[in-house]
Amino acid sequence: GAGVSQTPSNKVTEKGKYVELRCDPISGHTALYWYRQSLGQGPEFLIYFQGTGAADDSGLPNDRFFAVRPEGSVSTLKIQRTERGDSAVYLCASSPGPGQRGDYGYTFGSGTRLTVV
Amino acid sequence: AQTVTQSQPEMSVQEAETVTLSCTYDTSESDYYLFWYKQPPSRQMILVIRQEAYKQQNATENRFSVNFQKAAKSFSLKISDSQLGDAAMYFCAYRRGANNLFFGTGTRLTVIP
Repeated sequence: GAGVSQTPSNKVTEKGKYVELRCDPISGHTALYWYRQSLGQGPEFLIYFQGTGAADDSGLPNDRFFAVRPEGSVSTLKIQRTERGDSAVYLCASSPGPGQRGDYGYTFGSGTRLTVV
Repeated sequence: AQTVTQSQPEMSVQEAETVTLSCTYDTSESDYYLFWYKQPPSRQMILVIRQEAYKQQNATENRFSVNFQKAAKSFSLKISDSQLGDAAMYFCAYRRGANNLFFGTGTRLTVIP
């Protein structure tokens, strides 16, 4: 697509529930990133995919968070047993990939605002 | 570890005037990229300007320019002829190679008509 698409735009869930957040990157972009932005803060890195594999998942806060990108395009961020502290905006970004033309700044989606009540 | 510091939580500027947003960073690397992103209420992070550390010349993009001081690890953004549409959160960010972006805590810019 023309831009990075994230769905849903907003998600309200009850504490303890499971949620999935979807990211559809720009067509042809091999690199995909997930960030979490808490209120009043800058985005914090969660995980980076190069193709289908997670090249760096060092930002995932604990084992309740998991992300997949099975076909190297769409990615899903999965959060189990949600907690109120998980409430934040989850941003996705994509880029052409290491060494590729234009791979210096990412294109971000508009994020999913997750609220855990 | 890389850290990015934005010491101005909020700034305001009169329409058509010039404003400078500050950013400092900490790194032991010599080759890296620096960015300024704008985040309006729509939440989407929009790339404003980027600077490669190996380039001594300051980057410019229309009304936006940077003052990159590598030795001082300083990377400020100057917005000239401020417009109402410039009002947003501005984030400074650092990236080394193919690694991920590290962001500062942001500066909220208000443009006064």
